[in-house]
Amino acid sequence: SQQGEEDPQALSIQEGENATMNCSYKTSINNLQWYRQNSGRGLVHLILIRSNEREKHSGRLRVTLDTSKKSSSLLITASRAADTASYFCATDTNTGNQFYFGTGTSLTVIP
Amino acid sequence: EAQVTQNPRYLITVTGKKLTVTCSQNMNHEYMSWYRQDPGLGLRQIYYSMNVEVTDKGDVPEGYKVSRKEKRNFPLILESPSPNQTSLYFCASRTRQGAGELFFGEGSRLTVL
Repeated sequence: SQQGEEDPQALSIQEGENATMNCSYKTSINNLQWYRQNSGRGLVHLILIRSNEREKHSGRLRVTLDTSKKSSSLLITASRAADTASYFCATDTNTGNQFYFGTGTSLTVIP
Repeated sequence: EAQVTQNPRYLITVTGKKLTVTCSQNMNHEYMSWYRQDPGLGLRQIYYSMNVEVTDKGDVPEGYKVSRKEKRNFPLILESPSPNQTSLYFCASRTRQGAGELFFGEGSRLTVL
């Protein structure tokens, strides 16, 4: 399987703290994306980083990509209770047709 | 409102009884795909379609069929469901060109007894 893995599987932090989750993948990629899923709901796109980019920011989100290590990290700064969700990374192949999702990190932000 | 609509949202069925999960998008997207989500395994791609009449297998296609007769619709067909197909299913779409986010439906929870 080419599925990626995320670390940690679960993370619990206090409101206001930063949350960092990591994603590792197995093959060369075209892009890497991060998605958020509220319990049992559909996934919502957060941010996309291309294979030739190393870092990207969007609001309170910061994503890094290290293609030599086949890994990415998502940092959520100044977390809020509403950030409580599962977060998944997803990679697509060079054709852009097949997507491989990580196993997800469950984030709980305690008010 | 741009959306991907799946039906049914919840379904309990029995082994061997054919069923279809429908998926429709109103964004004129060329690309559509199906995923299943199981605890501890994340999402795995079942099938995808680049455009009308163009479909291809994803990571876990066994036991599933799809069709793409119209651009907006991409139904997932389980000809003879088995208990190991009990899962949460998601349909997603995106524009074909280059990189782009996937737009997901709200999911269809299927239980096969």
